[in-house]
Parts: sequence; structure tokens; C-alpha cells
Amino acid sequence: GAVVSQHPSRVICKSGTSVKIECRSLDFQATTMFWYRQFPKKSLMLMATSNEGSKATYEQGVEKDKFLINHASLTLSTLTVTSAHPEDSSFYICSARVLGVLAGGREETQYFGPGTRLLVL
Amino acid sequence: GQNIDQPTEMTATEGAIVQINCTYQTSGFNGLFWYQQHAGEAPTFLSYNVLDGLEEKGRFSSFLSRSKGYSYLLLKELQMKDSASYLCAVEDSNYQLIWGAGTKLIIKP
Repeated sequence: GAVVSQHPSRVICKSGTSVKIECRSLDFQATTMFWYRQFPKKSLMLMATSNEGSKATYEQGVEKDKFLINHASLTLSTLTVTSAHPEDSSFYICSARVLGVLAGGREETQYFGPGTRLLVL
Repeated sequence: GQNIDQPTEMTATEGAIVQINCTYQTSGFNGLFWYQQHAGEAPTFLSYNVLDGLEEKGRFSSFLSRSKGYSYLLLKELQMKDSASYLCAVEDSNYQLIWGAGTKLIIKP
């Protein structure tokens, strides 16, 4: 099946610094990737939709200048948390959307990454 | 390697009961999640099992057997709105999530 990786798997940083998280589709191309944040009650909040070659679409309440998303290629999207604060500490998960044949015969499937755990001190 | 298996698609009738199975082989185990995802929407958290047994939450129940590497999600009194994809995900020893590909559940009247 399709594999999505994230790097790093965990990161600890000081308040005020920036952290970049990578999301890669390893054996397929994805024109659309999604970035989620998992909260303590385990719900996933969609932060933004990353489209290759164009600007990301952010959900209401998500600061685009704080969470910079770049989808430079069909296999890579990056999320940069700028000037990180302790309240940004969370588990960030990406997913890649696949359409058509690769999607197990279904119209659309999302393949999820393993997540990146961010701790801001 | 790490692997999560769940059926690709299931069909059930409105008002009936359906069981969606999930088997896993992972590097360690710290818990198993079930999420519901409607097309075009973010996954919604349904359940989290870390101990063996059945946990019931309204019409939805989730079962875990760690020794068998097995879980199921049981949906009762099916409603048309239950038509969605159901994702099984295991938290491994590094607290990373290993995801199944999801089971598309189709509810027929």
C-alpha cells in the first residue's frame, strides 16, 4: 500500500525558534496533502490543505503566518511552525490524498503519516 | 515491518449491525484508535483502546485483544449517516501512529 512518512518523528525546541516538519509520499505522487493536529482527547483538527504548486488553504482560526506550508513537489509538503510557543506543543499528522486507481478502486483515499510530536519548552 | 489490515469495503443495511475488523503487527503497542471519516472531511475520533476488552459508547463499541493483535468496531442500529470510511490506527512503542487504509462502509436502505 501507499506509504507516507514524516520527519522528524519527534522534536524538542526552545520557545521562539522555528521547526520544520516534512511529509513525504514515498511511492506515489500526491497533489494534495493535509496537515492535522491531534489534541489530547485524540480528535484530529484539520489545519490546512496543501496543494502542489499553489498556496495552502488554511482552516478558520489557523494562522497562516505562524504555520507555513510549502508543497514544493508532488511528494513533499512541509509545515514550519514559526516562533514556536509552548501552546504549539502537539502531535502533528499529515496525510496524502490519492485519487483513482491507486485508491484501492475507490474515488479517493487518504494515507496518513505516523505523526510528529513537537514539544516546545 | 509494521502493518495494519482492515477490509477495503463493507456493505450493510440500515438498522442492522456491522463489525469492522482490524488486525495489526507493530513495533510495540500503546493504544488503538478508531476514526470515522466522511468524504472531504477530517477524521472524527470514535474510540481509543489500550486495555483488552469491549468499550461501549452509544451505538458504537470497540473491542481489543492485544494478544491476538486484533480489534473490531461494532456499529449498531445503523443509520444512513454512518456511511463513511472507518480508520484503524495503532500507536506504536514510539507513540507514532500506524494507520490502516480504512474501510469504506456503505449503508443501504
